[in-house]
Amino acid sequence: AQKITQTQPGMFVQEKEAVTLDCTYDTSDQSYGLFWYKQPSSGEMIFLIYQGSYDEQNATEGRYSLNFQKARKSANLVISASQLGDSAMYFCAMSPNYGQNFVFGPGTRLSVLP
Amino acid sequence: SQTIHQWPATLVQPVGSPLSLECTVEGTSNPNLYWYRQAAGRGLQLLFYSVGIGQISSEVPQNLSASRPQDRQFILSSKKLLLSDSGFYLCAWSGGARSQPQHFGDGTRLSIL
Repeated sequence: AQKITQTQPGMFVQEKEAVTLDCTYDTSDQSYGLFWYKQPSSGEMIFLIYQGSYDEQNATEGRYSLNFQKARKSANLVISASQLGDSAMYFCAMSPNYGQNFVFGPGTRLSVLP
Repeated sequence: SQTIHQWPATLVQPVGSPLSLECTVEGTSNPNLYWYRQAAGRGLQLLFYSVGIGQISSEVPQNLSASRPQDRQFILSSKKLLLSDSGFYLCAWSGGARSQPQHFGDGTRLSIL
């Protein structure tokens, strides 16, 4: 069965600094997708970035990049130049090769300090 | 572009009362549809998903049920709410491919008194 682990329940970062949120996953599939979502205090889930298991390059979307290390089964999210508006819960998720479901991690709460 | 609507935004219900939460998607056809529940400060728990009209898969046994009467409509129901049903309910859709993200509605905050 697939599983997502996020070992950092909470993280603090100074405004304008970079931060890395950890995500490790467990799957026996060879083909899968990895996603990161942001959930502000208002509750909506915002899709940030996607990485396919066969993508050779790390995904980037603006200030977000995904540090994908397939052999280590890790997909860490890097946020550069943190902003106060980045304070939120961040969830790592995986879609398996077959089946319709995502597996979500427990989340990391990021607090950006002024 | 595709949009997802979920209502109501907040709901306060007494124990034992019925429940109906509705979710509709616009701008796409034959989406996969999902209902999640999130306890305060916790991750997402998948409750139901549907790959087509009338096709519902349940992930967690509970007193909730789901229905998909139309292609882009997904309804979460209960005949008698329990205190433990309190939480934040999120509806989501996806295109179904491995590379496609799930897109979420704004959620319903349900409080059971």
